[in-house]
Amino acid sequence: GAVVSQHPSRVICKSGTSVKIECRSLDFQATTMFWYRQFPKQSLMLMATSNEGSKATYEQGVEKDKFLINHASLTLSTLTVTSAHPEDSSFYICSARGISDRRTQETQYFGPGTRLLVL
Amino acid sequence: GQNIDQPTEMTATEGAIVQINCTYQTSGFNGLFWYQQHAGEAPTFLSYNVLDGLEEKGRFSSFLSRSKGYSYLLLKELQMKDSASYLCAVMDSNYQLIWGAGTKLIIKP
Repeated sequence: GAVVSQHPSRVICKSGTSVKIECRSLDFQATTMFWYRQFPKQSLMLMATSNEGSKATYEQGVEKDKFLINHASLTLSTLTVTSAHPEDSSFYICSARGISDRRTQETQYFGPGTRLLVL
Repeated sequence: GQNIDQPTEMTATEGAIVQINCTYQTSGFNGLFWYQQHAGEAPTFLSYNVLDGLEEKGRFSSFLSRSKGYSYLLLKELQMKDSASYLCAVMDSNYQLIWGAGTKLIIKP
């Protein structure tokens, strides 16, 4: 149980375009979803926290107008990288924390990640 | 400030036992997590400790001492597939995860 999917797994785009990444909790309802970015050989960096039906909370240094997050339902959150540039190339990982039982209430379950390459 | 410390890299032999330590200083405590992350992949959940003591799950065990701000992950009967980074994370008083930098575990035949 507690499966999180992420789509797409890999995307290559031109500089200036926008990219949308979807994160879905498949077998539980996620009250909170988290978006992380990970550069090679570095630890996870939290970008933002989103609660269903409310605005996302962004970490310091993360531009909310560039990284648009929509947590429209208890099973879906999207991250849109607007006007992507080469420095946005990274591994983007979502995680979800749920309400179905004690285990999912406390544990973050991760999606498989999306590797973004901006040319 | 909030701080999670774990060794950068460890090396062990296939079939042996290895202990990865994690010490933490956080504003509040709502549990400690261990995750495994293979290169190029997202982390996968290994264990969650919120009370003192040892939690055993197959070849993996995790220990917590809240008074000492200390945890360890114990891996037994090491297999080559256990080569990965092991991330320690503490949930603070705001229920946010504070991440360690990860310990890269190298298993040698």
